[in-house]
Amino acid sequence: SQKIEQNSEALNIQEGKTATLTCNYTNYSPAYLQWYRQDPGRGPVFLLLIRENEKEKRKERLKVTFDTTLKQSLFHITASQPADSATYLCALVGDKIIFGKGTRLHILP
Amino acid sequence: KAGVTQTPRYLIKTRGQQVTLSCSPISGHRSVSWYQQTPGQGLQFLFEYFSETQRNKGNFPGRFSGRQFSNSRSEMNVSTLELGDSALYLCASSLAGPLYNEQFFGPGTRLTVL
Repeated sequence: SQKIEQNSEALNIQEGKTATLTCNYTNYSPAYLQWYRQDPGRGPVFLLLIRENEKEKRKERLKVTFDTTLKQSLFHITASQPADSATYLCALVGDKIIFGKGTRLHILP
Repeated sequence: KAGVTQTPRYLIKTRGQQVTLSCSPISGHRSVSWYQQTPGQGLQFLFEYFSETQRNKGNFPGRFSGRQFSNSRSEMNVSTLELGDSALYLCASSLAGPLYNEQFFGPGTRLTVL
């Protein structure tokens, strides 16, 4: 069955550094991969979408890579700020959408 | 532009009861998807409605059902509630569907089953 894993439940990063979150998957061939941010008590907010034929996508301080050979996506936040602290979810999109359980990111001042 | 709204925000029910949750999508969005979020299983897709028709369905029992009205508003119903149904239920709207379009999530309904 399809499986999606996000590298860790929680990640602590010093302010100003680059935070890198990992999303690995097996038994699935997604056409797209999406990243969301979720704050406590709120619904997820869409951040970026990357297609299978795209290697990299950028939006302001965010960068996503997608390696279909490794079956992995990396999500980077450069020059991280305490306001970036949240849970980040990746989602595989093919004939259906499957979410990872998320990584709680803490940016330490 | 108003966002996705869900009512009620919080709900407490007992086992065996049924519950109906409501979702109003962003104006102009014809697709509404429903998700269940729990600490153990994460965010799981329940079903998607587009133009009043269920277009996609996740792996949930038949106790979970939904419908969509002509104004795109959607309701989700859970019958014969079980303790394990306690979760945050989120709906999301999009122009044409969650698979290849940006989805906008509502704040969710927190359901507690006692």
